[in-house]
Amino acid sequence: IQMTQSPSLLSASVGDRVTLSCKAGQNINNYLAWYQQKLGEAPKLLIYNANSLQTGIPSRFSGSGSGTDYTLTISSLQPEDVATYFCQQYNSWTAFGGGTKLELK
Amino acid sequence: EIQLQESGPGLVKPSQSLSLTCSVTGYTITSGYDWSWIRKFPGNKMEWMGYISYSGSTNYNPSLKSRISITRDTSKNQFFLQLNSVTTEDTATYYCARWGYSSPFAYWGQGTLVTVSS
Repeated sequence: IQMTQSPSLLSASVGDRVTLSCKAGQNINNYLAWYQQKLGEAPKLLIYNANSLQTGIPSRFSGSGSGTDYTLTISSLQPEDVATYFCQQYNSWTAFGGGTKLELK
Repeated sequence: EIQLQESGPGLVKPSQSLSLTCSVTGYTITSGYDWSWIRKFPGNKMEWMGYISYSGSTNYNPSLKSRISITRDTSKNQFFLQLNSVTTEDTATYYCARWGYSSPFAYWGQGTLVTVSS
């Protein structure tokens, strides 16, 4: 299943509401995860099953969507949120999106 | 706390084999879950390579099926990746991770960069 993320690069200011998009090539039944990866670190699971917040992740992160279209929202961008964000489907084997690099404006 | 750690050579010559080890602490790999290898290419594309299950069965990405082997040493709580006949296109950061049925990758190693170059 092809996973397409947009945009590939996003510039935003501290305090902004940020929305990242992930589109699947077919219905993935909410089997969708979001990861944050900072430079030199392992990916960190943020959201699973499209909208469930992983333990220990700040509540400013939220996930939504269904079918083929999914969104990760950061309600108020913090400096430590600068990272690359990946989506992953695990409905049919697994596949990753190409990532969105989030930077501060 | 579950931890995974990759180890192995950082440089491999073209046509040779790439061999990596994933050492797991805090969980016994025969107790459950599927133990995967994932790689991230320069430019951010990520590819699931395959896994060895807690029972020892394996599944591989069809794009790699002829070149990949994942094995384990249960006495050391380690699992291994071997990728044969590498080319420069196999240059990537390689991660090991824990995967479960209908669940995401909740635990990852730090990753190890492998460069294929003569």
